[in-house]
Amino acid sequence: GAVVSQHPSRVICKSGTSVKIECRSLDFQATTMFWYRQFPKQSLMLMATSNEGSKATYEQGVEKDKFLINHASLTLSTLTVTSAHPEDSSFYICSATGTGGPRDGYTFGSGTRLTVV
Amino acid sequence: DQQVKQNSPSLSVQEGRISILNCDYTNSMFDYFLWYKKYPAEGPTFLISISSIKDKNEDGRFTVFLNKSAKHLSLHIVPSQPGDSAVYFCAAGGPAYNTDKLIFGTGTRLQVFP
Repeated sequence: GAVVSQHPSRVICKSGTSVKIECRSLDFQATTMFWYRQFPKQSLMLMATSNEGSKATYEQGVEKDKFLINHASLTLSTLTVTSAHPEDSSFYICSATGTGGPRDGYTFGSGTRLTVV
Repeated sequence: DQQVKQNSPSLSVQEGRISILNCDYTNSMFDYFLWYKKYPAEGPTFLISISSIKDKNEDGRFTVFLNKSAKHLSLHIVPSQPGDSAVYFCAAGGPAYNTDKLIFGTGTRLQVFP
């Protein structure tokens, strides 16, 4: 089945630095990738939707200058948390759909635990 | 505004019995629904889905029921097994002509005990 690889699985960074999280579709072309954030014991909150080769669409309340999303190829999307602060500490998860759209499959990465100290 | 709600944060069921997880939604434009299973520090794993044109979909031990008039869906797991212990999220998407992003519920933690 479809596999989405997300790296790193855990990262600890100092406040003020930037962190890049990668999301790769290993055996299919991901026309659309979604980035989610999950706070402890809460739901998955959609941050942004990105289509290959175009700018990401951010959900209301998500700072696009802080959470930079790049979807330069059909197999790779990156989320960069810029000037990270402790309140950015969270669990970030990507997901991807292929050419058939979500109804043909919506595959999640394994997530990245970000801790900002 | 929580468009997808799972009002039970936790559920405890004995092994072998039925687990019923519930989900309510408010947006009548949703036209497909999915259930995901999630372990701590891992991404969600797809379980089963249902289109709004159906009222039931079954896959092995998992059955999803959809009641459009009540804007309610449920996931039945029978028989429940200890390995089913996880957090279950329902998600809704659509309409297809507008967006394919998913809206997730808040999750229900299922614990299956021997």
